[in-house]
Amino acid sequence: KAGVTQTPRYLIKTRGQQVTLSCSPISGHRSVSWYQQTPGQGLQFLFEYFSETQRNKGNFPGRFSGRQFSNSRSEMNVSTLELGDSALYLCASSFRDRDYNEQFFGPGTRLTVL
Amino acid sequence: DQQVKQNSPSLSVQEGRISILNCDYTNSMFDYFLWYKKYPAEGPTFLISISSIKDKNEDGRFTVFLNKSAKHLSLHIVPSQPGDSAVYFCAASGGASTGTASKLTFGTGTRLQVTL
Repeated sequence: KAGVTQTPRYLIKTRGQQVTLSCSPISGHRSVSWYQQTPGQGLQFLFEYFSETQRNKGNFPGRFSGRQFSNSRSEMNVSTLELGDSALYLCASSFRDRDYNEQFFGPGTRLTVL
Repeated sequence: DQQVKQNSPSLSVQEGRISILNCDYTNSMFDYFLWYKKYPAEGPTFLISISSIKDKNEDGRFTVFLNKSAKHLSLHIVPSQPGDSAVYFCAASGGASTGTASKLTFGTGTRLQVTL
């Protein structure tokens, strides 16, 4: 069974640009969550998508957005990039409709903003 | 406001001995707790979990203990192996009934080094 896949694995952008990251969940998983990992703030929840709708949102500015497609694949977009957006962006998938809900993570996309 | 805390940034243990990693939380609405292992530049790997209705869950060399009254959980690894060297994160979420089961709040991590 294939795991969570994320593309691209590495990305270099400059300030002011925008970026789109992609995540394909484990087959059968309908919930996709996104996290940001930085040395200063650790692993922080960005948002969750389920059935093409955002279900939960973390404390990030509106520059961070996402969407989910009917096949459960998800994309995350960051507009007007800032230096502080440099981070490892992780996507996780799960069933969601179960009480005890392990999330399985992809390898991440390393974004560097210059 | 750090709702999940791992107060030990690092831990060194000899091979074959027990590793004990600790985690404290403040939010009494958390219903489910998980431990993840992480290597640099990789995504976290799920290890073991426990629901708030239990006080212990065991899977091979890994055991997680939950003390709800103290809002404390710990991960025991016995025996520790060099391949266990990694950063360990504890995480917590609400139950499915709250709609937040997929929103994990992570601790800051503990770097475990298992020495020969």
